[in-house]
Amino acid sequence: EAGVAQSPRYKIIEKRQSVAFWCNPISGHATLYWYQQILGQGPKLLIQFQNNGVVDDSQLPKDRFSAERLKGVDSTLKIQPAKLEDSAVYLCASSLGEGGGSTDTQYFGPGTRLTVL
Amino acid sequence: GENVEQHPSTLSVQEGDSAVIKCTYSDSASNYFPWYKQELGKRPQLIIDIRSNVGEKKDQRIAVTLNKTAKHFSLHITETQPEDSAVYFCAASKGSNYQLIWGAGTKLIIKP
Repeated sequence: EAGVAQSPRYKIIEKRQSVAFWCNPISGHATLYWYQQILGQGPKLLIQFQNNGVVDDSQLPKDRFSAERLKGVDSTLKIQPAKLEDSAVYLCASSLGEGGGSTDTQYFGPGTRLTVL
Repeated sequence: GENVEQHPSTLSVQEGDSAVIKCTYSDSASNYFPWYKQELGKRPQLIIDIRSNVGEKKDQRIAVTLNKTAKHFSLHITETQPEDSAVYFCAASKGSNYQLIWGAGTKLIIKP
């Protein structure tokens, strides 16, 4: 079974520039998550999708971050404009997400390491 | 909201000894408790999880215990090996429509 795919793996940009990350979840997984992980910290959820609907985006800085999952499969996360403090690893994860109160395993992609100069 | 506290932040044990990492959670409605291992520069990987209808689960050298009354759960690693060195995260969730709440992580160091 193929895992969660992410690209690019590394990105270096200057502050105020824009950047986009792409994620392809495991086939058949309805739920997709974007996390931000700053060095030395645990993952912080930015946004959670179930199919193409947003379940939770309470921690997404909406003035600069946006995410979409238009067809309920792939997803993109965009930062515009980037700030120095956005330097982090951006992790995408997916789960079966059958809902109904059950919780299932989240599988993570390799992440995109963003450096903002 | 839900809060998960994890201790210790760093744990150093001799190879072959046991390691125990503890987490406490605040929301009594939480019913799913996974543990993730993250090696340096790699993605978090699930190593074991437990649901609120059981008190203990084992998988070879790894075990997790859950005390719902006290609202804490622990990861136990026996016969530690150098490849166990990593950062371990606990997490808690109320269900798939709710986010996982993560602990701050424990850096486990296995001394040869």
